[in-house]
Amino acid sequence: DVKVTQSSRYLVKRTGEKVFLECVQDMDHENMFWYRQDPGLGLRLIYFSYDVKMKEKGDIPEGYSVSREKKERFSLILESASTNQTSMYLCASSLRGGYTEAFFGQGTRLTVV
Amino acid sequence: RKEVEQDPGPFNVPEGATVAFNCTYSNSASQSFFWYRQDCRKEPKLLMSVYSSGNEDGRFTAQLNRASQYISLLIRDSKLSDSATYLCVVNLSSASKIIFGSGTRLSIRP
Repeated sequence: DVKVTQSSRYLVKRTGEKVFLECVQDMDHENMFWYRQDPGLGLRLIYFSYDVKMKEKGDIPEGYSVSREKKERFSLILESASTNQTSMYLCASSLRGGYTEAFFGQGTRLTVV
Repeated sequence: RKEVEQDPGPFNVPEGATVAFNCTYSNSASQSFFWYRQDCRKEPKLLMSVYSSGNEDGRFTAQLNRASQYISLLIRDSKLSDSATYLCVVNLSSASKIIFGSGTRLSIRP
């Protein structure tokens, strides 16, 4: 059974804190993605990675960075958390190529106070 | 213009009705297309892939029109359990990007 695991289901952080969201997949997928989901806005792509140490900006990268040191792990970093980063964060992975689906983790609901 | 656009709904239809969702995409180089389903407070899960010839899975039919850059999902004989948000998804393989529409919310009433 395919598995994408996010380190936390719920997180509460203070404004200005550095926040790490971790995602691990066990399917040997080349591509990994970080999205945030907000009511009325759907899933918006923050960053994605198509290989180890490779990263590409998505549609809303501002205020975020990522790290992919190993194929199975993709980390999202909020350098200095702000209240407008309160959201549901979803990690996904897929095989390289144009005909593959994405598999999601269970999501992390982050609240910044 | 958004890369993938969907009618946000909500669609509120009676049980047994037929309902159709549409989705348009802007990048003509898009290679593959999917419909995902997302239940409240859960992660999105694949409902079905969309092929050029159209494909059917039980009560669900998906169609792709590359010329018009348009994807559709038809649900026949809707059930209460079909209530969810349906996400249109496009895979831009050249960029290794998977782009989601904002989703269409469907509510089936008894």
